[in-house]
Amino acid sequence: DGGITQSPKYLFRKEGQNVTLSCEQNLNHDAMYWYRQDPGQGLRLIYYSQIVNDFQKGDIAEGYSVSREKKESFPLTVTSAQKNPTAFYLCASKGSGSVETQYFGPGTRLLVL
Amino acid sequence: AQSVTQLGSHVSVSEGALVLLRCNYSSSVPPYLFWYVQYPNQGLQLLLKYTTGATLVKGINGFEAEFKKSETSFHLTKPSAHMSDAAEYFCAVGSEWDYKLSFGAGTTVTVRA
Repeated sequence: DGGITQSPKYLFRKEGQNVTLSCEQNLNHDAMYWYRQDPGQGLRLIYYSQIVNDFQKGDIAEGYSVSREKKESFPLTVTSAQKNPTAFYLCASKGSGSVETQYFGPGTRLLVL
Repeated sequence: AQSVTQLGSHVSVSEGALVLLRCNYSSSVPPYLFWYVQYPNQGLQLLLKYTTGATLVKGINGFEAEFKKSETSFHLTKPSAHMSDAAEYFCAVGSEWDYKLSFGAGTTVTVRA
């Protein structure tokens, strides 16, 4: 089955700790995205990548980092600099055409201990 | 810059009644418009999208939306609500020249028996 997988489903972070969220897609999509979702605020873009080895900051990149070494993978690291990391994190991917749809993974919920 | 406003953060309807979710957009270029649905603790699923052509767009699960350029609107409707329609709905705007989408804050739909 083609799709997007995110792991883990739940992640707990201790103060001062960096954690990495995994996102993998087998849709052969060029573009990948990370969003943060908080209640009542919709989805906010953290980072996106249009092609391997390239990525751009979104609207709320501070305290986050990404890499795009492989087409199918776009991991997100939540660093200790992100002071309010508790949220639902969604990964998405999109084909290269301009009318292509963004498809979403099932999400990872990050909680702070 | 593009943006979306969803009118009403919560909508409650009776089973069998009309579902109407309002979305207004702002865009300096011809918009691409999307409606997504999200069930609790899951990712987003595409309901329908408008890019070009016919302004009345039909989607999955009996939903449809009409693009009205003069009103800068893309309201989502379903003639008869079902209990399974209880979810959160997001409107989003993009364009041919932008890999990114801008999402509204979401509307939560409750269906009363």
